[in-house]
Amino acid sequence: DTGVSQNPRHKITKRGQNVTFRCDPISEHNRLYWYRQTLGQGPEFLTYFQNEAQLEKSRLLSDRFSAERPKGSFSTLEIQRTEQGDSAMYLCASSPSGGRREKLFFGSGTQLSVL
Amino acid sequence: DQQVKQNSPSLSVQEGRISILNCDYTNSMFDYFLWYKKYPAEGPTFLISISSIKDKNEDGRFTVFLNKSAKHLSLHIVPSQPGDSAVYFCAAGVARAGNQFYFGTGTSLTVIP
Repeated sequence: DTGVSQNPRHKITKRGQNVTFRCDPISEHNRLYWYRQTLGQGPEFLTYFQNEAQLEKSRLLSDRFSAERPKGSFSTLEIQRTEQGDSAMYLCASSPSGGRREKLFFGSGTQLSVL
Repeated sequence: DQQVKQNSPSLSVQEGRISILNCDYTNSMFDYFLWYKKYPAEGPTFLISISSIKDKNEDGRFTVFLNKSAKHLSLHIVPSQPGDSAVYFCAAGVARAGNQFYFGTGTSLTVIP
């Protein structure tokens, strides 16, 4: 169990640029989540995958955001035409299919700064 | 609209004493509740959970209490240890209605040696 891995750890970009983050969940976990955390706030749900199917999306996930999990393994989160308000920590989490699905295993996150 | 609230941003406790972290929620549909711990530069780590059919769940030094009528839960850590110093997030969800968890804003616990 190597844990949930997120890359990059930090990303600085200029407003209007596109960015993409990657998440590698724990290998046997078929549930994958993306959350966003801004300063002084708790994590906010963005989207949820079960295997390769994106089953839930938050209204926070605007049209500029897209997430994929093409083979039910790793996932990517892309933000197009970044805005300063997108600056946040983007957290990926995974959990097993049965039993304790509420026990999310989080990665260390990708800190995005939009200048 | 913050459905899960942690009104104490910070808490300091002497080592060996009890730490009590509080959480309130507004959505009566929530039927399970969780606590996560977060160290700097790391993602949150699951600590303990409780479903709405219970009013107490214990795991070692950690106990979560649920008061459904008051829409309130608390996390008790006893005895507190310096390694418990972290930010603690309360979260809630609805077991049969999706996979979204709602998190509070966190309480930063400092355990003083």
